[in-house]
Amino acid sequence: DAMVIQNPRYQVTQFGKPVTLSCSQTLNHNVMYWYQQKSSQAPKLLFHYYDKDFNNEADTPDNFQSRRPNTSFCFLDIRSPGLGDAAMYLCATSTYGGGTEAFFGQGTRLTVV
Amino acid sequence: AQSVSQHNHHVILSEAASLELGCNYSYGGTVNLFWYVQYPGQHLQLLLKYFSGDPLVKGIKGFEAEFIKSKFSFNLRKPSVQWSDTAEYFCAASSGNTPLVFGKGTRLSVIA
Repeated sequence: DAMVIQNPRYQVTQFGKPVTLSCSQTLNHNVMYWYQQKSSQAPKLLFHYYDKDFNNEADTPDNFQSRRPNTSFCFLDIRSPGLGDAAMYLCATSTYGGGTEAFFGQGTRLTVV
Repeated sequence: AQSVSQHNHHVILSEAASLELGCNYSYGGTVNLFWYVQYPGQHLQLLLKYFSGDPLVKGIKGFEAEFIKSKFSFNLRKPSVQWSDTAEYFCAASSGNTPLVFGKGTRLSVIA
């Protein structure tokens, strides 16, 4: 089945140690998103790509970076994770166009120790 | 700023009770509206969506939602809930090609 796959499902990292989360898709969608979801809060958009065009939300910390080497893959890099970065990270994809739905991966739960 | 509000944080219902979850949005112009569901341990899944046309939208698993433009609302309804409907429900909105903005979610617990 075509889908959005996130790896790993659970990631434990040390305070300040760089970590990379990955997302791949078989839907061939040109838009990919990264959301951060903390407990009892709405998923918060960090950034998104329209094809290779990168769009960073104004309030996304500089600590968060992203790469999209090709249509299928997208990475979230956290350069120096702090305790406040512990959250569920959601990758999603969609086609470009008004009203199109987003398809989500299962998420990566990041724990910072 | 564009925003989505969900008024109920946690709703507890008995099986067969009727459900209505509130959602209000703050958007100018044309808006696209969505309800997503997240079952325990699973990813977000689309329940239903509204782009245009009939303001009463029917989705999967017996859910429906009504777009009321004058009230900036898109409430989710189901006439009779089941235990398997226990999940977190998220209302979301977009405008044109903008990314989805989510509400904080409503946790639904259905008890026997």
